[in-house]
Amino acid sequence: GQSLEQPSEVTAVEGAIVQINCTYQTSGFYGLSWYQQHDGGAPTFLSYNGLDGLEETGRFSSFLSRSDSYGYLLLQELQMKDSASYFCALPTGFQKLVFGTGTRLLVSP
Amino acid sequence: DTEVTQTPKHLVMGMTNKKSLKCEQHMGHRAMYWYKQKAKKPPELMFVYSYEKLSINESVPSRFSPECPNSSLLNLHLHALQPEDSALYLCASSQDPGEAETQYFGPGTRLLVL
Repeated sequence: GQSLEQPSEVTAVEGAIVQINCTYQTSGFYGLSWYQQHDGGAPTFLSYNGLDGLEETGRFSSFLSRSDSYGYLLLQELQMKDSASYFCALPTGFQKLVFGTGTRLLVSP
Repeated sequence: DTEVTQTPKHLVMGMTNKKSLKCEQHMGHRAMYWYKQKAKKPPELMFVYSYEKLSINESVPSRFSPECPNSSLLNLHLHALQPEDSALYLCASSQDPGEAETQYFGPGTRLLVL
């Protein structure tokens, strides 16, 4: 099976940089995705890493190390609107996506 | 159009009621998904439809019955639910069943079972 662990909560101030970590266990690896979900809203796809290294999309970057079974989401120039829950997720290769435990990010002024 | 729509937004039902949730996408996606999400928890996969056929049922109780009338529509029929079934029900789609890493989610139906 698959399991993904994330810190439950991270706090930061506006304008700062924050890193949300994700460690995973899986029998077969097909990449790591990241989703954002605001309270009361739908999950929104942020990024996908199929190979080791850094993927950059605007203020958000995602990193993967397959040898360490580890990835992180880096958010730069934090804004209040970035306050949300962030999930890492493993595609299983069998049409499934397994979500991590989720990290609640609180951005303060 | 990159939108997945879901109706209704909110639903309150008794344990003896029958109701249906509806999901629609017009992106030409060939995989559609139903998830259940409890407060402060990650989404949990319930069903996957691949090319309009049910390909995955995550051992969901039979009181939940999915249906895919066509490539754009996905329904979830509810019958004799229990209070513990109260949750946010999310529909999602992906371009292809093999591209599950990138899914587009609808806003969800918030269900309360009394």
